[in-house]
Amino acid sequence: DSGVTQTPKHLITATGQRVTLRCSPRSGDLSVYWYQQSLDQGLQFLIQYYNGEERAKGNILERFSAQQFPDLHSELNLSSLELGDSALYFCASSTRLVGTEAFFGQGTRLTVV
Amino acid sequence: DQQVKQNSPSLSVQEGRISILNCDYTNSMFDYFLWYKKYPAEGPTFLISISSIKDKNEDGRFTVFLNKSAKHLSLHIVPSQPGDSAVYFCAASEIRFGNQFYFGTGTSLTVIP
Repeated sequence: DSGVTQTPKHLITATGQRVTLRCSPRSGDLSVYWYQQSLDQGLQFLIQYYNGEERAKGNILERFSAQQFPDLHSELNLSSLELGDSALYFCASSTRLVGTEAFFGQGTRLTVV
Repeated sequence: DQQVKQNSPSLSVQEGRISILNCDYTNSMFDYFLWYKKYPAEGPTFLISISSIKDKNEDGRFTVFLNKSAKHLSLHIVPSQPGDSAVYFCAASEIRFGNQFYFGTGTSLTVIP
């Protein structure tokens, strides 16, 4: 158990819909990350927050947005969903901002039908 | 554009022998490298990391070697155990841009009892 909690574990939704994925980082971790793992793309970095502020951004689609709240939990919002958004979405957290390992949650499997 | 590559999709090793997993990267500005292990239906688990100022880091049965001139990273597991059977991912980051990890596509290691 990494200490990173993601909910829900599974999500099935229709195209065009909007979903919210939630992440609680390890106790004391200030940095939160979101990654997407799809079959053809591997693990792709989406975004990093540190103590509530966005600090690094990857190839995150404009239809996707994230935020980190004052209690340090984070949410990833995915809207206007397409079939190609079906993937595993991982949240990770770390104590420091840079140069440190990140600890991953078990992921949310999103299926868009 | 895959900046981190693991060219061997799979590897089989006898229990007790050495497992060597390889990783190549293209971005010479990467300065922090990690190895993760992943079991099915779980998030990646951190194994070991190395900074670009070092060429070797050891933690128990796991040793990571970094050859900056060749842009090559390897993970040695000695001795290999059946419980090591998993998918191994290498990852790299450029610290000045945050803790954004670029992951390889993974190598599936099978340790045969």
